[in-house]
Amino acid sequence: DGGITQSPKYLFRKEGQNVTLSCEQNLNHDAMYWYRQDPGQGLRLIYYSQIVNDFQKGDIAEGYSVSREKKESFPLTVTSAQKNPTAFYLCASSKDRGISNQPQHFGDGTRLSIL
Amino acid sequence: EDQVTQSPEALRLQEGESSSLNCSYTVSGLRGLFWYRQDPGKGPEFLFTLYSAGEEKEKERLKATLTKKESFLHITAPKPEDSATYLCAAKGGSQGNLIFGKGTKLSVKP
Repeated sequence: DGGITQSPKYLFRKEGQNVTLSCEQNLNHDAMYWYRQDPGQGLRLIYYSQIVNDFQKGDIAEGYSVSREKKESFPLTVTSAQKNPTAFYLCASSKDRGISNQPQHFGDGTRLSIL
Repeated sequence: EDQVTQSPEALRLQEGESSSLNCSYTVSGLRGLFWYRQDPGKGPEFLFTLYSAGEEKEKERLKATLTKKESFLHITAPKPEDSATYLCAAKGGSQGNLIFGKGTKLSVKP
């Protein structure tokens, strides 16, 4: 079955540590996205990528980094510069991002906590 | 500034008690209004896309409608398995990014 796989499901970060969240899709989608979800808030866009080897900052990119070396993969690194990393992180993909109205499809998230 | 507001924040219904969830939006050049369902600890599951005022879409007990300022998700004779958080998102013409509301948490009691 086609879908989006995020791993791990739970992740713990120590002070000063960088951690990487994995996102893989087999939907043959061009566009991929990372969101952060906090209690009582809407999803906020961290980074997005429309094509391999290209990505753009979203609304809250500070303290995060991404790469897009393969169409299927869009890993997110939460760096030590992100002072409030505790949140539920969601990866999504869509056929394309531009003027198309194709919906975004989501993985089941990674919950990141600070030790 | 583009914005999406959902109400109420939480809604408790008895099984079989129909109701509606509201999504108000201020987005320039709306390209699409999306509804998602999210279960606890899971990612959002896509339900509907609405493109233009007057459009309606249905799926089982759910019906989504769209006007020029808001969208409604009508739930007819809900069952306990309909309990979830329902998210609304709008896509405007200027950027292409989705703008999400904070969601409505629906609880349906047997």
